[in-house]
Amino acid sequence: AQSVAQPEDQVNVAEGNPLTVKCTYSVSGNPYLFWYVQYPNRGLQFLLKYITGDNLVKGSYGFEAEFNKSQTSFHLKKPSALVSDSALYFCAVRDREDAGNMLTFGGGTRLMVKP
Amino acid sequence: DAGVTQSPTHLIKTRGQQVTLRCSPKSGHDTVSWYQQALGQGPQFIFQYYEEEERQRGNFPDRFSGHQFPNYSSELNVNALLLGDSALYLCASSLGRAQYFGPGTRLLVL
Repeated sequence: AQSVAQPEDQVNVAEGNPLTVKCTYSVSGNPYLFWYVQYPNRGLQFLLKYITGDNLVKGSYGFEAEFNKSQTSFHLKKPSALVSDSALYFCAVRDREDAGNMLTFGGGTRLMVKP
Repeated sequence: DAGVTQSPTHLIKTRGQQVTLRCSPKSGHDTVSWYQQALGQGPQFIFQYYEEEERQRGNFPDRFSGHQFPNYSSELNVNALLLGDSALYLCASSLGRAQYFGPGTRLLVL
């Protein structure tokens, strides 16, 4: 079985400050990892993915994430937050050994960026 | 290039009724997955279709069924609706590892 934990329901950060949204995962094999963002009354927008290779993954809108195999973590980061980054962020995992395409999502973290 | 589209955007049904939701995948994508997102929670995988067959299924009862057509579009059917089926239903398409989501259909069961 695979699972994702996002330990913070909400993260508050001031505009211009760096932000981190935490994610830890559990899979039986090796993971594919993803971050998605959801704005109110909208579907999920893909931000970035880790498949293999460099542990630091760069994605859309200046976001990046660092894969840490020993800590089974995939934290989302951004050097300088914008008010428009305020949204709901989801981390997801897929077992690389899984022939299907099922994503398991965390419960989400609400990011609030204040001016 | 249109992304993933879903219809309808909103739907209200009563308990015991049946509902059909529709999804058109992103151009070039051949795999469609459906997710249920209850209020305040992360999406949960319902099932995945590829080559017009259900390939993988999450922990959902048989009341949830689907179909994929030759043009890769898909339908999600839910029979005997329960109050607890009220949620945002998301369709995702893929060609490879990353899935791209549609805007969702919000279903309210009264």
